[in-house]
Amino acid sequence: DAGVIQSPRHEVTEMGQEVTLRCKPISGHDYLFWYRQTMMRGLELLIYFNNNVPIDDSGMPEDRFSAKMPNASFSTLKIQPSEPRDSAVYFCASSLMGGFGGELFFGEGSRLTVL
Amino acid sequence: KNQVEQSPQSLIILEGKNCTLQCNYTVSPFSNLRWYKQDTGRGPVSLTIMTFSENTKSNGRYTATLDADTKQSSLHITASQLSDSASYICVVSARPGGYNKLIFGAGTRLAVHP
Repeated sequence: DAGVIQSPRHEVTEMGQEVTLRCKPISGHDYLFWYRQTMMRGLELLIYFNNNVPIDDSGMPEDRFSAKMPNASFSTLKIQPSEPRDSAVYFCASSLMGGFGGELFFGEGSRLTVL
Repeated sequence: KNQVEQSPQSLIILEGKNCTLQCNYTVSPFSNLRWYKQDTGRGPVSLTIMTFSENTKSNGRYTATLDADTKQSSLHITASQLSDSASYICVVSARPGGYNKLIFGAGTRLAVHP
């Protein structure tokens, strides 16, 4: 099993540019999560999907952030326009909710730097 | 307010020594508690998941304990190795379920020196 695959691993962009982060969950997992990690705030849940449907996006900081999951094997997190305060590591995670409190499997993260 | 506090914030130990990391939580109602290991530049990896009824759970040289009455958990690392250098994150899940109820601690950064 290849695990959760994220791309790009590193992204450096200028303020105002559009950023798209990509995620391929583990095959068969029906939950997908986007997290953001910073030194100041630790890991924060942005949004999660169940069977490709967004369930809770209350963690999305503002309208500049959007996430989609067009099919079971692909999701994107888009920031438009990007700002320096968006600089962080963005993690995608997936889970098979076989029961209550399924284990989360994280990708390696996408480190975003907005200049 | 649901909170998870970890201590110490950072720790340095010599290779071969044991150490214990602490996690105190105020999450209620409690569902389960997880410990994750996060290597520098990598994603978190699950070490253990403990439910209300479990007091101790081991994963190799890692042993987690849970006291649901005092709302405390510890992660004990035995015979530390250089590869144990990482951040250890305690995560508590509130019942009823839903991943939006996962409360993350700030982590303990462990450095194992030769």
